[in-house]
Amino acid sequence: QVQLVESGGGLVKPGGSLRLSCAASGFTFSDYSVSWIRQAPGKGLEWLSYISSTGGTTFYGASVKGRFTISRDNAKNSLFLQMNSLRTEDTAVYYCTTSLDWLLPFDSWGQGTLVTVSS
Amino acid sequence: DIHMTQSPSSLSASVGDRVTITCRASQSISSYLNWYQQKPGMAPKFLIHTASTLQSGVPSRFSGGGFGTDFTLTISSLQPEDSATYYCQQSYSNPVTFGGGTKVEI
Repeated sequence: QVQLVESGGGLVKPGGSLRLSCAASGFTFSDYSVSWIRQAPGKGLEWLSYISSTGGTTFYGASVKGRFTISRDNAKNSLFLQMNSLRTEDTAVYYCTTSLDWLLPFDSWGQGTLVTVSS
Repeated sequence: DIHMTQSPSSLSASVGDRVTITCRASQSISSYLNWYQQKPGMAPKFLIHTASTLQSGVPSRFSGGGFGTDFTLTISSLQPEDSATYYCQQSYSNPVTFGGGTKVEI
């Protein structure tokens, strides 16, 4: 059974940093691409970043490019999102999701971790 | 970026009703359109890919259609457990983008 468990969320001041993690189990993590998607309170879904199965290809959305860095450790079945220069508008629930490749559907989702950026 | 517009933003219907949600892309996306269901306090769930193919385990009362710029998600006989927000998403080009969502209340 596919399981994705995010962690690392919390309260951080504007300009601060946070590192999110996503622990994967129940499937062969190294066979899947992974993305981060967020949802601001009461709002819709926003794709943020993608990393290929090997980690060799990454993409970022315009709102986070240059501030966030996606990475993965296939040996530890883990995905990460390093978030720097956080802004109040980054406040959201952050989900990790899997897909077989880029531009394929997000077929499994974690339960999400809440990041609150506030002074 | 391709902009996705859903309508209506919300609707209220009764058990057994046929419900249709529309999703429109700002440019042609062929059939690269996916649908997700999100219940309150939960993560989204993948329902339909390539406009009309149901993910395994999704009830057959759900169906999708469309091509190019105009797409639909139809629930043929609404059930209480279908109360949720539904999102369309284009997977035609980078960046992938989502519609604003349609909240279905029963």
